Amino acid sequence: AQSVAQPEDQVNVAEGNPLTVKCTYSVSGNPYLFWYVQYPNRGLQFLLKYITGDNLVKGSYGFEAEFNKSQTSFHLKKPSALVSDSALYFCAVRDLSFGNEKLTFGTGTRLTIIP
Amino acid sequence: EAQVTQNPRYLITVTGKKLTVTCSQNMNHEYMSWYRQDPGLGLRQIYYSMNVEVTDKGDVPEGYKVSRKEKRNFPLILESPSPNQTSLYFCASYKSAMGLEQYFGPGTRLTVT
Repeated sequence: AQSVAQPEDQVNVAEGNPLTVKCTYSVSGNPYLFWYVQYPNRGLQFLLKYITGDNLVKGSYGFEAEFNKSQTSFHLKKPSALVSDSALYFCAVRDLSFGNEKLTFGTGTRLTIIP
Repeated sequence: EAQVTQNPRYLITVTGKKLTVTCSQNMNHEYMSWYRQDPGLGLRQIYYSMNVEVTDKGDVPEGYKVSRKEKRNFPLILESPSPNQTSLYFCASYKSAMGLEQYFGPGTRLTVT
């Protein structure tokens, strides 16, 4: 079975400070990992993904994420937070070991950037 | 513009009254999926479809039906809605299973009284 954990329901960061939103995963085989962002009254928007290769993945709006296989983590980061980054963030994983189509999402982390 | 559309965006209905939420994509994607979003539970997959006439259950399929008669459309059917189906519903589409990101619709907020 595949699963994702986002241990923090809420993260508050001062504008201009670095931010980290945590994600850990569990799969039987190799993972595909994703981060999505949801702004109020909007659908989810794709931020970035890890498929293979470089463990540091760069995505939209200055976000990046680091894949750590030994710690089974895929934390989302940004060097300098903007107020406009305030949103709900979801981590998601797909386990490729069985060729399944299922994408499992975490419960989400609400990021608030304080001016 | 590449997009996934859902209708209606908001719906209030009563227990037992059949309803359909439509989903359409203009990207010629093979795969489509329905999710429900509930506070504290994140997104949970209801059903997905790998192509026309090919569908399969996700994590929470009870009380829902889907059909895929055309590649672009993937309606979600609630034959006898109940209050526990009050939720925010999202449709998504994607090109293939090989790690490509999903494109989400704007969501449908359903309230069943």
